Amino acid sequence: GESVGLHLPTLSVQEGDNSIINCAYSNSASDYFIWYKQESGKGPQFIIDIRSNMDKRQGQRVTVLLNKTVKHLSLQIAATQPGDSAVYFCAENMSGAGSYQLTFGKGTKLSVIP
Amino acid sequence: DTGVSQNPRHKITKRGQNVTFRCDPISEHNRLYWYRQTLGQGPEFLTYFQNEAQLEKSRLLSDRFSAERPKGSFSTLEIQRTEQGDSAMYLCASSLRTGNDYGYTFGSGTRLTVV
Repeated sequence: GESVGLHLPTLSVQEGDNSIINCAYSNSASDYFIWYKQESGKGPQFIIDIRSNMDKRQGQRVTVLLNKTVKHLSLQIAATQPGDSAVYFCAENMSGAGSYQLTFGKGTKLSVIP
Repeated sequence: DTGVSQNPRHKITKRGQNVTFRCDPISEHNRLYWYRQTLGQGPEFLTYFQNEAQLEKSRLLSDRFSAERPKGSFSTLEIQRTEQGDSAMYLCASSLRTGNDYGYTFGSGTRLTVV
């Protein structure tokens, strides 16, 4: 079946460096994508979202890039801080089909080295 | 009311017992969702309410699972005759669709352990 997946299960970066977390999706009907951060013992926390009519969206220290041609999504975190250590999930949705269901990938664990 | 509230935070139960979890969404959110998350995996969709109407149900939601949102505010998720495979984090989320902004917000979850 079609699903969202991640290329790398773990990522270690030095504090102050930029982080890039990747995600591949295969459902061409998906038109809304969200990145979540999940810390241990907590629920997923919204980071940033993007719709399929955009290819880039920026937030505070985070940027999401969407490449519909190759069905690829990435999350860039600038100047990574120890507080960024968490598991990051991408999720997809078919809002155009009237669905409110999110399909999540398996997650990437980001570890920030002080 | 600053977020989605879930109770209890942790629940340990013996196999075969029934359990019930509660979710209080963000007050102005009319949509409420239940997800299940096992260790090392992303959350999996279980069911969705718009106000008091249950509009989507996953095939993961077996006959032993039932969810309600009687007054369109808080919701309960009940699992009957629990099995060890039910051990997971049960997450609730709520949203309010305004334009293109879902505002999809998760609670901290209820961690269920079936022994």
